[in-house]
Amino acid sequence: QSALTQPASVSGSPGQSITISCTGTSSDVGGYNYVSWYQQHPGKAPKLMIYDVSNRPSGVSNRFSGSKSGNTASLTISGLQAEDEADYYCSSYTSSSTLHVVFGGGTKLTVL
Amino acid sequence: EVQLVESGGGLVQPGGSLRLSCAASGFTFSSYAMHWVRQAPGKGLEYVSAISSNGGSTYYANSVKGRFTISRDNSKNTLYLQMGSLRAEDMAVYYCARDGQQLVVGYWFDPWGQGTLVTVSS
Repeated sequence: QSALTQPASVSGSPGQSITISCTGTSSDVGGYNYVSWYQQHPGKAPKLMIYDVSNRPSGVSNRFSGSKSGNTASLTISGLQAEDEADYYCSSYTSSSTLHVVFGGGTKLTVL
Repeated sequence: EVQLVESGGGLVQPGGSLRLSCAASGFTFSSYAMHWVRQAPGKGLEYVSAISSNGGSTYYANSVKGRFTISRDNSKNTLYLQMGSLRAEDMAVYYCARDGQQLVVGYWFDPWGQGTLVTVSS
């Protein structure tokens, strides 16, 4: 199955807000409210940050928020901190495959 | 504390086989579907396989179907991935992950193990 489309990189200064987009189709992002976001620091395992478009797991900072419009989901990080510098991956349920989850290609966030 | 610990990675020749294990602790293993996700060096995440909580249903990416087999032993709280006919493109860090919800094969994964590296090279 085709990966969801994310920008390769985004950047922002401490204290600013940034948004990472994740574009799919009506068979995945646009058709279902099952978008998740993961944070991955170098050499570490991915960590769930958002599930079901906009829900935060316990322990995840409220500076992280998710939304969706049409076939595009977004992750917004407000009040950027140095520790937010990492790779971010979106994923979505997909009806296009028997393995019902597809990932985005990942976005490298740089905190300037 | 929920913990997932992978093992079994290593160097294998093209065409060879390897079995990965994922030892789970800190939760009722038999209540959760489990997943394998891999990441090739410097690349993104690729969903590989999933198994239902009782092991009765399994799912595979097209890229590994017919070569990999996912299984679990709920009495040992352990998830497995038997990999065969390995190719250079299978080289990756393999992560096991717990499903985000109990008793269904869901669409988000939490938590993830630390990963185990599989190197395919002659």
